Amino acid sequence: EAQVTQNPRYLITVTGKKLTVTCSQNMNHEYMSWYRQDPGLGLRQIYYSMNVEVTDKGDVPEGYKVSRKEKRNFPLILESPSPNQTSLYFCASSPQTGDEQFFGPGTRLTVL
Amino acid sequence: RKEVEQDPGPFNVPEGATVAFNCTYSNSASQSFFWYRQDCRKEPKLLMSVYSSGNEDGRFTAQLNRASQYISLLIRDSKLSDSATYLCVVRRSSYKLIFGSGTRLLVRP
Repeated sequence: EAQVTQNPRYLITVTGKKLTVTCSQNMNHEYMSWYRQDPGLGLRQIYYSMNVEVTDKGDVPEGYKVSRKEKRNFPLILESPSPNQTSLYFCASSPQTGDEQFFGPGTRLTVL
Repeated sequence: RKEVEQDPGPFNVPEGATVAFNCTYSNSASQSFFWYRQDCRKEPKLLMSVYSSGNEDGRFTAQLNRASQYISLLIRDSKLSDSATYLCVVRRSSYKLIFGSGTRLLVRP
């Protein structure tokens, strides 16, 4: 089944404790992206990747890192999480930048 | 001012009603336009792309007015299963989609 998977789906952590949210797609898509969704603000792009080893900042990259060592994986790293990073995070992929984006199921993160 | 603006709703309508949502965007260089649907606490999914000539998919009709910079979505004969949040999405550049914060629709029996 073609899909985008994210892990973990739910995470409660404390300020400053490094964490990684994994994202994997099995559709051989070149383009992948991370978003966060907050009430009243919609989805905002954190980082995106056009292909392996090619990444760039989105609109809200502060406090996040990404890597794209393999085509299928695009992990999101929070080196020192803070409470303002409490949010719902979505990973998405598409075959080309102009095409429909397929979203993962989301990761609900709470930073205490 | 947000780059993509939507009325958050909720729009509360009876089954069978026709309901319309509008969305405005501020960047005149925006390249393409979409409506996504998001069920509560779930991932967004593409509902339809929006073309300048207008397009229809069953009970759903989308229209784009570039001159006035707005996009609309019309839902005819609303079903209970149409209850969701509808996200207006604008492609700002090759690599950036801008999402509106969504319009919530509740269809009641």
